[in-house]
Amino acid sequence: AQRVTQPEKLLSVFKGAPVELKCNYSYSGSPELFWYVQYSRQRLQLLLRHISRESIKGFTADLNKGETSFHLKKPFAQEEDSAMYYCALGNFGNEKLTFGTGTRLTIIP
Amino acid sequence: EAGVTQSPTHLIKTRGQQATLRCSPISGHTSVYWYQQALGLGLQFLLWYDEGEERNRGNFPPRFSGRQFPNYSSELNVNALELEDSALYLCASSSGTSGYNEQFFGPGTRLTVL
Repeated sequence: AQRVTQPEKLLSVFKGAPVELKCNYSYSGSPELFWYVQYSRQRLQLLLRHISRESIKGFTADLNKGETSFHLKKPFAQEEDSAMYYCALGNFGNEKLTFGTGTRLTIIP
Repeated sequence: EAGVTQSPTHLIKTRGQQATLRCSPISGHTSVYWYQQALGLGLQFLLWYDEGEERNRGNFPPRFSGRQFPNYSSELNVNALELEDSALYLCASSSGTSGYNEQFFGPGTRLTVL
């Protein structure tokens, strides 16, 4: 069974400080990992996916298969980063996304 | 380009009733997905439709069903409503089944069961 764990429900970080949102997964196959973000009063949207290796809005995430982790990082937090972040695991073929329970990130000015 | 739309925004029903939720995908998208976001549980995958066919189903009872129409819009039906069905129901669409395609989400329908 596939599972995604986000251990922190809430995370507060000062503006300018580094951010790390943790995500661990359980999956027997070759995983496809994503981070989705939901800003206040907006719909859920894709932030980044591991396969593209992009940096979006200063965020990066590295897939560590040994530790089964896909932590989201940003070196310098900005106030506009305050949002709900969801880690998700997908797999080719059945197109199902398994989401973590999310982490609410608050950037303190 | 219009995004995924869902209707109604809010829906209030009583136990035992049926609820119908609707979703219109982004133009050109053939796949529609339904997720349930219950309080404290995160998003749970419900159903995936593509080209009018149900392709995958999450771990939900049969009273959760749906369909996809020729224009790729979709309906989610929940029969014999129970209190724990109260949740935000999100619809997403993507452009196809070759490889993994980004899912674009709608604003959701908030279902309240009294």
